[in-house]
Formats: sequence, structure tokens, C-alpha cells
Amino acid sequence: DAKTTQPPSMDCAEGRAANLPCNHSTISGNEYVYWYRQIHSQGPQYIIHGLKNNETNEMASLIITEDRKSSTLILPHATLRDTAVYYCIVRLAGNNRKLIWGLGTSLAVNP
Amino acid sequence: NAGVTQTPKFRVLKTGQSMTLLCAQDMNHEYMYWYRQDPGMGLRLIHYSVGEGTTAKGEVPDGYNVSRLKKQNFLLGLESAAPSQTSVYFCASSQPRQGLFLSNQPQHFGDGTRLSIL
Repeated sequence: DAKTTQPPSMDCAEGRAANLPCNHSTISGNEYVYWYRQIHSQGPQYIIHGLKNNETNEMASLIITEDRKSSTLILPHATLRDTAVYYCIVRLAGNNRKLIWGLGTSLAVNP
Repeated sequence: NAGVTQTPKFRVLKTGQSMTLLCAQDMNHEYMYWYRQDPGMGLRLIHYSVGEGTTAKGEVPDGYNVSRLKKQNFLLGLESAAPSQTSVYFCASSQPRQGLFLSNQPQHFGDGTRLSIL
């Protein structure tokens, strides 16, 4: 499975959009990009995933570049409760046993 | 609908003691997983199960055993605890791929068991 690279930390002002980047330059054609987050002392929470098209749900938007080598998770109006560690993971379709977790990006949303 | 429930939430053991961590899910998911999370490292897969009665090794299986006697439960056992097994343990569950769609279903996690071994 491809590995990902994320900045270790980011800051965002409350109410502004938070844009979290992820590089996955070795991603293959059938690998999906998943985003999870982990709020302190809780289990990871699924946010969104995509293959090559941009995706949006009630939590966030996922923008994947045309060459699929990078993606951006967008939290449109960050709140204090969005302070968490955000993980970008690529996973082969049908390969449920392999989620390769990196260290993620620690996002601090400031008032 | 509780999702994924882990018990206990905290436990302190002495080296050599044994214990079992319980994971229960009420979403009728086929797949279940056990991970450990250590400071400075990402989550690492210990064991997983693709259905009742089946288990398989993950990335770091040594020192652990698992059982999936019922679909909704996945047990993680430490037969002889070691200080290196001090960690936060997370259980997760998911459904397999749906029909012809290649997209896998996301994993749903419990809130973890914090285990310290002295």
C-alpha cells in the first residue's frame, strides 16, 4: 500500500476553513484515499474517502488532484471541537486488513 | 445503537498476568480488528477477523491471541503480559465491500482500552 506524508501540525482560526494536505505520490490506480480523525482520548473517527473524484459529506470535502498524488481535506467552518489529529490513509480496495497509519496532522482550532 | 464498545476502559497488570479485552459491536459488521497505539507511532494492526469463527494475523501479532466465537464479539487475549505491551488498544469493525462497488466500507472504532503493565 502507498504511504502518505502529512505536516505534523497546523493551526486554524475558529470559523475559517481548515485545509489539510496529504501527499501520496506512490498511490496506485485502485487505492482509495481515506481520512480519519482522532480527538484526544477517543477512538479514530471516519471522515470521508475517495478514489479520484472530489467528495463531500456533512463533515468535510475531499479534493484529490488529477494525478492523484496528493489530496486536501477541507473543513469548511472549523470549530473548537474539530481540534484533533487527522490521518490520511491510502488503502487498496478489497484489502480490509491493511490500513497503514502514519502520525497524522495535529490540527489546533483557535478561538 | 452503541456502535463499538470496548471493556475494560483501563487496566493495570503485573508482568506475567493474563487478561482478555472484549470488543462488542451492534452494527452487524462482518469484519473486526484489533489495533494498538503507542506514542510516536501510528496505529498498528494486531489481529483481524473477516467473519465469525475466523481470525488472522496483522502487523504485530506476537504475544496476543484472539477469538471470534460470535459475530458481534472479538476478544483479544494476553496470555503472559509484558511491559512492552503497555499501550492503548483499539477495536474496530466494518462491513466488507458492497456488491460491485470497489469502495470499502469505513472502519468504526471503539474508544480504546488503556493497558499498563508493570
